[in-house]
Amino acid sequence: DTAVSQTPKYLVTQMGNDKSIKCEQNLGHDTMYWYKQDSKKFLKIMFSYNNKELIINETVPNRFSPKSPDKAHLNLHINSLELGDSAVYFCASSQGNRPQPQHFGDGTRLSIL
Amino acid sequence: TQLLEQSPQFLSIQEGENLTVYCNSSSVFSSLQWYRQEPGEGPVLLVTVVTGGEVKKLKRLTFQFGDARKDSSLHITAAQPGDTGLYLCAGANFGNEKLTFGTGTRL
Repeated sequence: DTAVSQTPKYLVTQMGNDKSIKCEQNLGHDTMYWYKQDSKKFLKIMFSYNNKELIINETVPNRFSPKSPDKAHLNLHINSLELGDSAVYFCASSQGNRPQPQHFGDGTRLSIL
Repeated sequence: TQLLEQSPQFLSIQEGENLTVYCNSSSVFSSLQWYRQEPGEGPVLLVTVVTGGEVKKLKRLTFQFGDARKDSSLHITAAQPGDTGLYLCAGANFGNEKLTFGTGTRL
């Protein structure tokens, strides 16, 4: 059973489009995260939710909007995609809202044409 | 802005050799985690170190947290092909839920 699953694994789309990435975890964790990993493999946090409440919101353009319908799901919607949004996006989860060991999904590779 | 610099950025060695990866910052962290990431997958936690000066061993991997909690090292003894991957350190802040990831070392 996959602990943290993201869909889709690959996303190729054109500039200006709107797209969503979904994430689900079956670990019973109460905290979920979205990270962006750039072409140099630098991993940077974007958002974190604890029990459906937004607790970390880094300096991310407001074209990015996370949504957590319940504590097992955290989706990421991106409006008006730009070339610079090309990256691998990782979802992660942990138990508790202190920095605990995080369990990562396998990533969604977003390519903007 | 907190930064965690890892060195070296790239490391290519022969099977059986020893190696050390360093993770340095000017900031103090409450704890530090090491992850390994393989191509097409997410990072996987290897270890968490919490106390300044702490040393933890995981088979051929030895992790150390600096006395001042600003730096850490990962030493691999007798490297194997299965050790290849991207090694990432990540520092946890006091009173904060955020992990700051290092710049990565590709072995």
